[in-house]
Amino acid sequence: AQKVTQAQTEISVVEKEDVTLDCVYETRDTTYYLFWYKQPPSGELVFLIRRNSFDEQNEISGRYSWNFQKSTSSFNFTITASQVVDSAVYFCALRDAQGGKLIFGQGTELSVKP
Amino acid sequence: DARVTQTPRHKVTEMGQEVTMRCQPILGHNTVFWYRQTMMQGLELLAYFRNRAPLDDSGMPKDRFSAEMPDATLATLKIQPSEPRDSAVYFCASGLGGQVQNYGYTFGSGTRLTVV
Repeated sequence: AQKVTQAQTEISVVEKEDVTLDCVYETRDTTYYLFWYKQPPSGELVFLIRRNSFDEQNEISGRYSWNFQKSTSSFNFTITASQVVDSAVYFCALRDAQGGKLIFGQGTELSVKP
Repeated sequence: DARVTQTPRHKVTEMGQEVTMRCQPILGHNTVFWYRQTMMQGLELLAYFRNRAPLDDSGMPKDRFSAEMPDATLATLKIQPSEPRDSAVYFCASGLGGQVQNYGYTFGSGTRLTVV
């Protein structure tokens, strides 16, 4: 069965701190895709990144970076120099190679205080 | 930017009433999903379609929920009769699925349903 675990329910940091959101997944598929979505207080789900299982290169986009490690089935998300606007719920998700359903983790609520 | 459009944004209804939620997927997307978000259960998949055909609706209470795609530009989710436990935010998402390409799915803004 496929499963995504985000063990951190809530994280609170002070602005400019770095913060890492953890994501651990389970799947029997050899090819799969991992995602991160952001849900700000306004409620919409915003796509942040997609990662293929055959590409373990880490990715950096501005203050955001993602660390994908197949050996530990983890796909962690780091925000460098956090800002108040980063406050949101962040979801990690897993999808099979056939383009099927997204399995979401329970989400991590990040609060960045000024 | 292309968007997934959901209507209505908010709906308050009385228990027992029929509720219909609508979704206009992004033009050209062949896969459409319905998700429900609650505090207790998080984001749950209710149903999804590929090229308008239902692929999986195992997450949907069959006795009261139904999902359809009358055409490629419209997906609907109906609840009849509605119950207070159906109160949630319902998201529609669309994307390109199958072996062709794989991108992140785009979500609509959601319909916040309150059943009193």
